[in-house]
Amino acid sequence: GQQLNQSPQSMFIQEGEDVSMNCTSSSIFNTWLWYKQEPGEGPVLLIALYKAGELTSNGRLTAQFGITRKDSFLNISASIPSDVGIYFCAGQLWGTSYGKLTFGQGTILTVHP
Amino acid sequence: EAQVTQNPRYLITVTGKKLTVTCSQNMNHEYMSWYRQDPGLGLRQIYYSMNVEVTDKGDVPEGYKVSRKEKRNFPLILESPSPNQTSLYFCASSQDRGVGNTIYFGEGSWLTVV
Repeated sequence: GQQLNQSPQSMFIQEGEDVSMNCTSSSIFNTWLWYKQEPGEGPVLLIALYKAGELTSNGRLTAQFGITRKDSFLNISASIPSDVGIYFCAGQLWGTSYGKLTFGQGTILTVHP
Repeated sequence: EAQVTQNPRYLITVTGKKLTVTCSQNMNHEYMSWYRQDPGLGLRQIYYSMNVEVTDKGDVPEGYKVSRKEKRNFPLILESPSPNQTSLYFCASSQDRGVGNTIYFGEGSWLTVV
């Protein structure tokens, strides 16, 4: 099946720094999603991208849908301690397996005050 | 409040002892699915259901069964659990054929098989 490669696997940063993570796929998706998971909870959607080339922001978060449809990135600006968590990218391809999300391995983000 | 509720949240069981993890959603969603989360692998889909009595395999269905007798419920059944099924399990539901911005996840069920 499709595979997503998410990097980096983990990041340790100081409060106030910017963060960048990305996902690449072996094949195309027509929807890219970014989720955040906090301890003891399920993933929560941060940003959804539906068009190649689309750039979308949600507060301090910005994500882009790569023009090849095989990649996406997420930036977090001016990080704060509550940004700590695991960030997952996920792709969807319409027409097969309704609603199935293919997830990346996750990026563990630690923010030092 | 829109919710996906899983039970139990935590379970330790022994190899071979059948168990069921329940999942219920209160949003009248058609689409439900189960994922397992393992370190370094992200979330992988086990089974999904497009509607009542319609289920299909995901990427890692071996050792699991599901049923969808009612729209709101989608239990995950481990007939004979093995240690490699120790994992964190998530149930998810969505309405519009899984459009990304309407997928809701439960809080997760930690399962340990010894």
